[in-house]
Amino acid sequence: NAGVTQTPKFRILKIGQSMTLQCTQDMNHNYMYWYRQDPGMGLKLIYYSVGAGITDKGEVPNGYNVSRSTTEDFPLRLELAAPSQTSVYFCASRGQGPTNTEAFFGQGTRLTVV
Amino acid sequence: AQSVTQLDSQVPVFEEAPVELRCNYSSSVSVYLFWYVQYPNQGLQLLLKYLSGSTLVKGINGFEAEFNKSQTSFHLRKPSVHISDTAEYFCAVRARGSQGNLIFGKGTKLSVKP
Repeated sequence: NAGVTQTPKFRILKIGQSMTLQCTQDMNHNYMYWYRQDPGMGLKLIYYSVGAGITDKGEVPNGYNVSRSTTEDFPLRLELAAPSQTSVYFCASRGQGPTNTEAFFGQGTRLTVV
Repeated sequence: AQSVTQLDSQVPVFEEAPVELRCNYSSSVSVYLFWYVQYPNQGLQLLLKYLSGSTLVKGINGFEAEFNKSQTSFHLRKPSVHISDTAEYFCAVRARGSQGNLIFGKGTKLSVKP
């Protein structure tokens, strides 16, 4: 079972560069999420999607963009990387309906901006 | 809106001792409650969840949690910890219904010493 797969696992970016963090899930989940995790701060929601073609901002969306062209994929785009975007990024997904209450997480992408 | 407070950022404990990790939440609507565990350099894994019914819920690895509506708490307990329980633990809430997003506390680092 692949579940939620994130690539890459690690990346170092220079200030001003851009990159896309990839996330794909094979569980046919409607809901997908991007979180960032900073030490001592828990996880903060960046963007989420309730289905293909529908995305919305979370708590900390500035400096990021997302798209959802398919059910499986939910890439996160960083434009003009800044040191404040150094973090660990987690993608998660969840099914729809009253029995699908649990979110499944990927293994994370550790990003350093220098 | 919802918020989660984890009252201890770090909890050191000796092996085979009992442990309690405290979580309080705030919400104007009914919520689902979750505890996730994160082992070093890994993603988040669900420990247990409270949806409805019995206020005492049992999870994996011998953990349990009790939902207390009047105190808006969802404390996690284990009667006897092992070295392998060393990890970071996150309490999270989500509003009932399909659209709610997971809101996380800042995490509690459990350190089990021999």
